[in-house]
Amino acid sequence: AQTVTQSQPEMSVQEAETVTLSCTYDTSESDYYLFWYKQPPSRQMILVIRQEAYKQQNATENRFSVNFQKAAKSFSLKISDSQLGDAAMYFCAYLTGANNLFFGTGTRLTVIP
Amino acid sequence: GAGVSQTPSNKVTEKGKYVELRCDPISGHTALYWYRQSLGQGPEFLIYFQGTGAADDSGLPNDRFFAVRPEGSVSTLKIQRTERGDSAVYLCASSLVGTGANVLTFGAGSRLTVL
Repeated sequence: AQTVTQSQPEMSVQEAETVTLSCTYDTSESDYYLFWYKQPPSRQMILVIRQEAYKQQNATENRFSVNFQKAAKSFSLKISDSQLGDAAMYFCAYLTGANNLFFGTGTRLTVIP
Repeated sequence: GAGVSQTPSNKVTEKGKYVELRCDPISGHTALYWYRQSLGQGPEFLIYFQGTGAADDSGLPNDRFFAVRPEGSVSTLKIQRTERGDSAVYLCASSLVGTGANVLTFGAGSRLTVL
């Protein structure tokens, strides 16, 4: 079974600074996808970034980038130049080969003005 | 539609009652997912439809929970004999499987409160 672990229940960052959110996962599959989703108080899950496991290059999306370490089964999210609007719950998620998506327990990010 | 629509947005019911939650996915999306999210937790998988059939219902907690998608579009999650522990936000998501990375688009959820 796939498990996704987020070991940081809460994180905080000063506005304009950089923060890294951690995620590890466990799987026996060789081909899969990983995602980071953001959930603001509105409850709407918003896709932040995705990574294909077969790609060695780390995904980037504007201020968001990942550090994907396949052998270590680690998938951390780096947010650069943090903005007040980045404050939210962040969930790491793993997509199985059967197209099922499993989430971690989340990290609450606070941005300090 | 433009996004995934879930109704009702909020539902308050009494213990023992029957509840239906509706999900209207993005038009053309073949896959539909239901998740349950308790306060302070990550979304917990319930069931996944591919077309009209349930491809994986291993997340349904017990036989009080049932979901249907009769025409391969709208889905209804049905909860019988509700219990206080069923109180949560129920999230629906849809995706177009087969186009590479299966990116799920989520609705805003239905918050269920069982008194």
